[in-house]
Amino acid sequence: DTAVSQTPKYLVTQMGNDKSIKCEQNLGHDTMYWYKQDSKKFLKIMFSYNNKELIINETVPNRFSPKSPDKAHLNLHINSLELGDSAVYFCASSRGGLTNEKLFFGSGTQLSVL
Amino acid sequence: GENVEQHPSTLSVQEGDSAVIKCTYSDSASNYFPWYKQELGKRPQLIIDIRSNVGEKKDQRIAVTLNKTAKHFSLHITETQPEDSAVYFCAASKRGGKLIFGQGTELSVKP
Repeated sequence: DTAVSQTPKYLVTQMGNDKSIKCEQNLGHDTMYWYKQDSKKFLKIMFSYNNKELIINETVPNRFSPKSPDKAHLNLHINSLELGDSAVYFCASSRGGLTNEKLFFGSGTQLSVL
Repeated sequence: GENVEQHPSTLSVQEGDSAVIKCTYSDSASNYFPWYKQELGKRPQLIIDIRSNVGEKKDQRIAVTLNKTAKHFSLHITETQPEDSAVYFCAASKRGGKLIFGQGTELSVKP
């Protein structure tokens, strides 16, 4: 069974559209994250939730809205997509609060905005 | 804020040689230093981590060293193999803080 699963794996869309990426973890972890990996491979944290509560909210445009219906799920909704949003988005989870624990990453969603 | 610098950005070695990747961090309160390996098209995966109460940790062919005074830590891979080819990321965090990644090192091991 996949520990952290995210869908879709690929997402190709036009500028201005709204899209969502879903993430689920079956590890019983308390904390979930969204990371963005740009074309230069740099991994940057966007959001983190601990037991459904937002604990990290980096300087991300408010077109990006995370939602955590329960501690096993963290979805990412993006409004009015722009060319610069093209990247690979990784969901991740960890056992405890915040980041002094091993991160388990999902397989990534490659978003291409045309 | 916290910053993690990683060098080199690319590294090419011959199979069997050793590879060393170095990172420095800015926040002296950092106490957790993991290393992640990301193969092409795959997810990052933790390969080794070290906490600030330890100076060195080994796991088979990989080892990590930490110099808290210099705020510097390194990954050492011995007897490199083609399957070690990947992008390696160092990272640092402190209790209650977020994990900050270095810029990544693309390691290429030539047979």
